[in-house]
Amino acid sequence: DAKTTQPPSMDCAEGRAANLPCNHSTISGNEYVYWYRQIHSQGPQYIIHGLKNNETNEMASLIITEDRKSSTLILPHATLRDTAVYYCIVRVAAYSGAGSYQLTFGKGTKLSVIP
Amino acid sequence: NAGVMQNPRHLVRRRGQEARLRCSPMKGHSHVYWYRQLPEEGLKFMVYLQKENIIDESGMPKERFSAEFPKEGPSILRIQQVVRGDSAAYFCASSPARGQGETQYFGPGTRLLVL
Repeated sequence: DAKTTQPPSMDCAEGRAANLPCNHSTISGNEYVYWYRQIHSQGPQYIIHGLKNNETNEMASLIITEDRKSSTLILPHATLRDTAVYYCIVRVAAYSGAGSYQLTFGKGTKLSVIP
Repeated sequence: NAGVMQNPRHLVRRRGQEARLRCSPMKGHSHVYWYRQLPEEGLKFMVYLQKENIIDESGMPKERFSAEFPKEGPSILRIQQVVRGDSAAYFCASSPARGQGETQYFGPGTRLLVL
């Protein structure tokens, strides 16, 4: 899987949009971009994923650049409960042998939402 | 629709004992993944199973660790002769059958403490 690079930490004021960047310059054409978050010591929570097009769901929006080398996760109105470590992960779309489907978690971005 | 369930949530074992961790996937999911999170570290993939089959165990330690996902019942991660270094949070994730979307959804984890 391609390696991702994220800032180690970010602050965001409560009620404002949180924009979390991720670089994945070596991503392949058959790899998705996934975002998860881990609140304190809970299990990782799936947020959103995409391949080429921008995606939006009830939790967040995912903006992927045209060259697919970077993406941004947007939480439109951050709340205190959004304080967590956010992980950007790339993973192949189709199974191609051992290791294909494992999620490789880096250090992520620790987002702190400030009152 | 119940999410991924794991039990026990907390497990204390003395060195040399066996630990059995259970994971019930989400309804309709037939793929299970186990991850381990050591203190202050990111999640690391251990094993990927389908019903009655181990698909990818590239992240499993060579000794003392085993996993199964029987035709009936939960997936089991078994650690024999536990050592202090096995103390960690163990997370299980599940996904639908291949070809129907492979997003992994995580359970709350089992915190193993080896005394």
